[in-house]
Amino acid sequence: DSGVTQTPKHLITATGQRVTLRCSPRSGDLSVYWYQQSLDQGLQFLIQYYNGEERAKGNILERFSAQQFPDLHSELNLSSLELGDSALYFCASSVARGGGVSGGYTFGSGTRLTVV
Amino acid sequence: AQSVTQLGSHVSVSEGALVLLRCNYSSSVPPYLFWYVQYPNQGLQLLLKYTTGATLVKGINGFEAEFKKSETSFHLTKPSAHMSDAAEYFCAASPAGGTSYGKLTFGQGTILTVHP
Repeated sequence: DSGVTQTPKHLITATGQRVTLRCSPRSGDLSVYWYQQSLDQGLQFLIQYYNGEERAKGNILERFSAQQFPDLHSELNLSSLELGDSALYFCASSVARGGGVSGGYTFGSGTRLTVV
Repeated sequence: AQSVTQLGSHVSVSEGALVLLRCNYSSSVPPYLFWYVQYPNQGLQLLLKYTTGATLVKGINGFEAEFKKSETSFHLTKPSAHMSDAAEYFCAASPAGGTSYGKLTFGQGTILTVHP
């Protein structure tokens, strides 16, 4: 157990639907990162939050949004789902002050999303 | 923009043989560098990292990597492969500062197969 908790582990939904993925960071970590892993795109950075504020944005679609709550857990919302959104979505957290990553990330075990 | 290239999407070695996984980065300034391992159906686990200081870094499970600025490389090695090393390995880089501070850019991954 890495200390980063992601729920649900698996999610199957239909095209056009909306889903919410949840992440609880490791205790004491202020930064949360979301990544998408697919066979064709590899690991793609989506977005980072640090202590409740958006810190960096990557290749995140407009149909996707995220937020970090006061208790530091984060949610990734995916809407108007398409077949191509099927992927493994990882959350990671880090302890570094200022949102940096010098200590490396701790990854959760991911949510496997299948859009049918 | 920063990029990470892993040479060889598949590497196969015999048990007891040297493991060498290659990684090159493209960055205007030396970034922080990481190697992660991913076992099937699991999240990514940090093997080792380079931030500053000694260019030869040792990680878990007997792995080590050497940062060579002149070659913009951060190759991962292990003197003697074990069957349990079979997994996918990712090299990653993060800016040491600036507006992308905290964002990891991953290589495409190298699948390591270990033969008896």
